[in-house]
Amino acid sequence: GAGVSQSPRYKVAKRGQDVALRCDPISGHVSLFWYQQALGQGPEFLTYFQNEAQLDKSGLPSDRFFAERPEGSVSTLKIQRTQQEDSAVYLCASSVGSATEFYEQYFGPGTRLTVT
Amino acid sequence: DAKTTQPPSMDCAEGRAANLPCNHSTISGNEYVYWYRQIHSQGPQYIIHGLKNNETNEMASLIITEDRKSSTLILPHATLRDTAVYYCIVRSNAGGTSYGKLTFGQGTILTVHP
Repeated sequence: GAGVSQSPRYKVAKRGQDVALRCDPISGHVSLFWYQQALGQGPEFLTYFQNEAQLDKSGLPSDRFFAERPEGSVSTLKIQRTQQEDSAVYLCASSVGSATEFYEQYFGPGTRLTVT
Repeated sequence: DAKTTQPPSMDCAEGRAANLPCNHSTISGNEYVYWYRQIHSQGPQYIIHGLKNNETNEMASLIITEDRKSSTLILPHATLRDTAVYYCIVRSNAGGTSYGKLTFGQGTILTVHP
């Protein structure tokens, strides 16, 4: 079956531009996570959705980062006025249940964002 | 969540067992040990998890010491496709406001040689 997909796979933005990164989770998955992975580092948590509700946005680095999941399926991570330090791979993961118990997180391939 | 310590890199010959260690000396009673791996240019992939008993699945075995302060992930017959970064993660399944987020460290880069 289809896994988690993300688009675009690669994005180059000029400093100051706004970008939107899309995540299509596995159909029916309740939980959706966004992570940011800098070069040579492990992924770092950004935000969590349970269906359409954004329950945790403690990892978003600044108010330039905004995420939504309006219908509880597809999610978009938006970065306004991109800066060079935003260059990273942005990973999306989904899991079948709520995050209060263990459910395997399935990761997408990521979107590599380069800010020039 | 408790902090984990892993060696930065390891090598293994193809066909041999790969034993990847992880220290988690501050683990608390309700925290599980998870292993994920990340192959180059892909997202992380779940491997296995455990609380205190040893666990085995089709991918790997997880050995947790009796005091739970360390664990070892075992790939019994490593192949070239097992070359990846392996992450040991400790987290609680007890709910609260962690919402299941995973806290990745630097991981161990495992290189499997022909």
